[in-house]
Amino acid sequence: QVQLVQSGAEVKKPGSSVKVSCKPSGGTLSSHAISWVRQAPGQGLEWMGGIIPIFGSANYAQEFQGRIKITADESTSTAYMELSSLRSEDTAVYYCARDISEAGTYDGFDIWGQGTMVTVSS
Amino acid sequence: DIQMTQSPSSLSTSVGDRVTITCRAGQSISSYLNWYQQKPGKAPKLLIFAASSLHSGVPSRFSGSGSGTDFTLTISSLQPEDFATYYCQQSYRTPPTFGQGTKVEIK
Repeated sequence: QVQLVQSGAEVKKPGSSVKVSCKPSGGTLSSHAISWVRQAPGQGLEWMGGIIPIFGSANYAQEFQGRIKITADESTSTAYMELSSLRSEDTAVYYCARDISEAGTYDGFDIWGQGTMVTVSS
Repeated sequence: DIQMTQSPSSLSTSVGDRVTITCRAGQSISSYLNWYQQKPGKAPKLLIFAASSLHSGVPSRFSGSGSGTDFTLTISSLQPEDFATYYCQQSYRTPPTFGQGTKVEIK
């Protein structure tokens, strides 16, 4: 069973950037889309954006346009999410999640990473 | 963006009870509806996809139904490990959007 392994917790200053990685254990990124979903403390789930690794094309939620970048490095089978201009409201757990479909669409998330806590504090 | 609204926001129930959670979409989404279970400190787990298809390894006491705008997740006989928060999510249109969650607590 493929698992997604994310990088460790981060503490960042307001205005800085964070880059979180996501790598499948025992497999490759393949043609499944990889999405990034965040969850602020005590709150619900929020889709931030996603990428189809074999195409390299990313989609972003309107809320994050201009300060998010999602990439995939096929040589290392690693997906990345970089969020810039961080503010306290970005304090959250960030998850990567693999799409259930290999059609290159966002149909549902069947495999999730363990989550990366990002704390934004001065 | 398509808004997803779940009800109730929380419920208190007992082991063995039948539980029903409702999810309503702001527009028709056909059967493009998924359900997840999340326990504290853990990543969500996919339970149901395409409104009524049980994901691999999910117990048969979980079931989903509905199409268009109204959907339900049913747990036929609640087990101790089922106390968690449940989310619906539409995959009809990008961006995928989630309901606000339903917390199932022990009475």
